[in-house]
Amino acid sequence: GAGVSQSPSNKVTEKGKDVELRCDPISGHTALYWYRQRLGQGLEFLIYFQGNSAPDKSGLPSDRFSAERTGESVSTLTIQRTQQEDSAVYLCASSLSWSSGNTIYFGEGSWLTVV
Amino acid sequence: KQEVTQIPAALSVPEGENLVLNCSFTDSAIYNLQWFRQDPGKGLTSLLLIQSSQREQTSGRLNASLDKSSGRSTLYIAASQPGDSATYLCAVKGGNKLVFGAGTILRVKS
Repeated sequence: GAGVSQSPSNKVTEKGKDVELRCDPISGHTALYWYRQRLGQGLEFLIYFQGNSAPDKSGLPSDRFSAERTGESVSTLTIQRTQQEDSAVYLCASSLSWSSGNTIYFGEGSWLTVV
Repeated sequence: KQEVTQIPAALSVPEGENLVLNCSFTDSAIYNLQWFRQDPGKGLTSLLLIQSSQREQTSGRLNASLDKSSGRSTLYIAASQPGDSATYLCAVKGGNKLVFGAGTILRVKS
């Protein structure tokens, strides 16, 4: 596609429910990143994929968070048993590879509100 | 652990002024540094990417410099316009992470 696409763009869920956030990276981009941004705060690194592998999962806040990527394309970030502190915008980005020379392109984010 | 700091946190200037945004980082072992802008309710737009071997990059009215040894980068915006109003973020890439600063909120008044 022309850019990084994320869905849903907005999600309101009840505390305790599970949510899935989807990211479609730019076609051909092997590196994919997930970030979280709480209201008024900076970007918090969650996880990145090189191909379908995630070399570093240390940014995931708790075991309620998981992510996967298939076909070196679509990625899904799953949050189980959502809590109110999970409310944030979840940003996905992709780049041609993890290589130093590649610009990173962001989607417009999935805005999650847990009530 | 890499830490990225941006100064000032917020800046308000009249239209036409030249301005400088500052970014500092604690670990100089970086692959590159990238400047982004973020508009309210939107994702991030890449502005400039500087490789660790480079000292500056220019795009239109924007110029970014990098001094890796001292852990500093500056983003220079010439002849600022109201459309430049946004949050400007710098991010450094090293190891397995891309670490962001908290951003500078810029408001250019017409």
